[in-house]
Amino acid sequence: QKEVEQDPGPLSVPEGAIVSLNCTYSNSAFQYFMWYRQYSRKGPELLMYTYSSGNKEDGRFTAQVDKSSKYISLFIRDSQPSDSATYLCAMRGPGGTSYGKLTFGQGTILTVHP
Amino acid sequence: DGGITQSPKYLFRKEGQNVTLSCEQNLNHDAMYWYRQDPGQGLRLIYYSQIVNDFQKGDIAEGYSVSREKKESFPLTVTSAQKNPTAFYLCASAGTGDASAGNTIYFGEGSWLTVV
Repeated sequence: QKEVEQDPGPLSVPEGAIVSLNCTYSNSAFQYFMWYRQYSRKGPELLMYTYSSGNKEDGRFTAQVDKSSKYISLFIRDSQPSDSATYLCAMRGPGGTSYGKLTFGQGTILTVHP
Repeated sequence: DGGITQSPKYLFRKEGQNVTLSCEQNLNHDAMYWYRQDPGQGLRLIYYSQIVNDFQKGDIAEGYSVSREKKESFPLTVTSAQKNPTAFYLCASAGTGDASAGNTIYFGEGSWLTVV
């Protein structure tokens, strides 16, 4: 079983829809949770970062972490065609200075059509 | 501009050859990383380095080698021992100053390696 599971999709929605992207994980040591967006043939860019449980909002994006259920979500409101990309969840445990030692989900391919 | 530069963007390798992918950063980050991305498998860690002249194996280090002679540079060599080298390779760097900041991880634009 993989440490992080993410539905690969693909997910296709109309413009303006609310999109929900999810990941589950098995390692209870994970404390830092990230969502990256990756356009085709490009490097991932950080969208949202959350520490421990709770919600975080940034514009049209909301990240939720439920550590008791080992479940994280990313919501995109009023989705736009420019949101079409692969979304990757990533997480890591505490301690040390290895901020880049992330464990990634498989990525969800999202298409928002006009 | 500050950032991470990977080269080449596209590389073709014949079977049995070693190839080296370049990664340079001017962010003054101590830590650097190499990830491999295959379709449907997300990113997997190959090697990482927290300081100059030191590096550690990640989850899939077999068939790869690295060096960290300078803070700015962390080249990855894909050796002929790597059985399935065709993939998208991503270099990343991270600052180490703020223990609570998860948002200091930056990725380069990646290098596509194809074995022909």
